Amino acid sequence: EAGVVQSPRYKIIEKKQPVAFWCNPISGHNTLYWYRQNLGQGPELLIRYENEEAVDDSQLPKDRFSAERLKGVDSTLKIQPAELGDSAVYLCASSLQSMNSPLHFGNGTRLTVT
Amino acid sequence: SQQGEEDPQALSIQEGENATMNCSYKTSINNLQWYRQNSGRGLVHLILIRSNEREKHSGRLRVTLDTSKKSSSLLITASRAADTASYFCATVKRKTDSWGKLQFGAGTQVVVTP
Repeated sequence: EAGVVQSPRYKIIEKKQPVAFWCNPISGHNTLYWYRQNLGQGPELLIRYENEEAVDDSQLPKDRFSAERLKGVDSTLKIQPAELGDSAVYLCASSLQSMNSPLHFGNGTRLTVT
Repeated sequence: SQQGEEDPQALSIQEGENATMNCSYKTSINNLQWYRQNSGRGLVHLILIRSNEREKHSGRLRVTLDTSKKSSSLLITASRAADTASYFCATVKRKTDSWGKLQFGAGTQVVVTP
């Protein structure tokens, strides 16, 4: 099966600029996650979707971050405006809707804000 | 905040040796999962152990879980250079309002030298 696809792989922007990341989950996975991973750290959840509904966005900085998952498939994560501290790897993952289903991760987008 | 904490932070071994890393967590869990991350890539699921299980095997991997001590260990036997990666434990809390929220530790960086 095709894995989770993310684009772009790398993005370099100046602070205060907007940026968007795109994710295509594994077909049939109705749960989609966006994680942020800082260097040397584990991933931290930003938002989780069940189909089109964001069921956990408590860690999403809503003043500058937004996400959407139209039609319950692909998802985009946007930052506007970006800050220096947003430099990180943004990982998308998907899974079946089960507490015991493992997550399947994409290779991430490495964002550098200068 | 991160639920799991891995120990050690870094581990350097030679091919053929065994590698053991530990994970401690704070709250009651539904399951605990181990993931591997190669440099510049996404996380790959290795093994899931449920709270009512004590030990699980998958190939050269052996995972134990001690819920009384809130700890887990991952053993990689007969390590290979290809096992060089960061290893993360992640927990799913028992509380229903945390359903689906997988929380990762900071990881153990393993280097296997030929």
